[in-house]
Amino acid sequence: GIQVEQSPPDLILQEGANSTLRCNFSDSVNNLQWFHQNPWGQLINLFYIPSGTKQNGRLSATTVATERYSLLYISSSQTTDSGVYFCAGRRDSTLGRLYFGRGTQLTVWP
Amino acid sequence: GAVVSQHPSRVICKSGTSVKIECRSLDFQATTMFWYRQFPKQSLMLMATSNEGSKATYEQGVEKDKFLINHASLTLSTLTVTSAHPEDSSFYICSARDYRVETQYFGPGTRLLVL
Repeated sequence: GIQVEQSPPDLILQEGANSTLRCNFSDSVNNLQWFHQNPWGQLINLFYIPSGTKQNGRLSATTVATERYSLLYISSSQTTDSGVYFCAGRRDSTLGRLYFGRGTQLTVWP
Repeated sequence: GAVVSQHPSRVICKSGTSVKIECRSLDFQATTMFWYRQFPKQSLMLMATSNEGSKATYEQGVEKDKFLINHASLTLSTLTVTSAHPEDSSFYICSARDYRVETQYFGPGTRLLVL
């Protein structure tokens, strides 16, 4: 299977700070997603980003497919950003499974 | 975005009983649904992939006779934990793949506690 490494494993920020989360893949993927798992366990789709850059409000993501990594940027963090951020990739575009990283636990203090 | 519901959200049962968890895609058809298990402070572990109208594909180490999966329609998949034991206590999450946009959407999860 595909190995997915996420860094850092834990991140503690004060409100207003910016952060960058990274995701490295051991093999090429052509489907990559970022999720936020809130304190109640719900996974929320943030980005579907197999390549390129996307922005959604204070969040943006960049995937460099040729180098097998993706970055998630959080600007002006808020306490509601706290939770676990997962990246996951899939090798093919048909019925392949998603391979998850171990996540980055983000805690934002007021 | 697409919505996936899961029911029940939490269940407490006695050891030896069976528990059924439902997963529904509410506004799209899902030919493929996935069942995950998550332990505290760990990542999601894929248990099985189910395709509508066919048998589920289980990951290595997952007992198919213990975790029965049925994907009877394009909007409903069920996971039945048979003869549950305390070690089956976990957070179970389903997801459904919207093939139109190649994105997986996740249900809110079911917390199972077996006493």
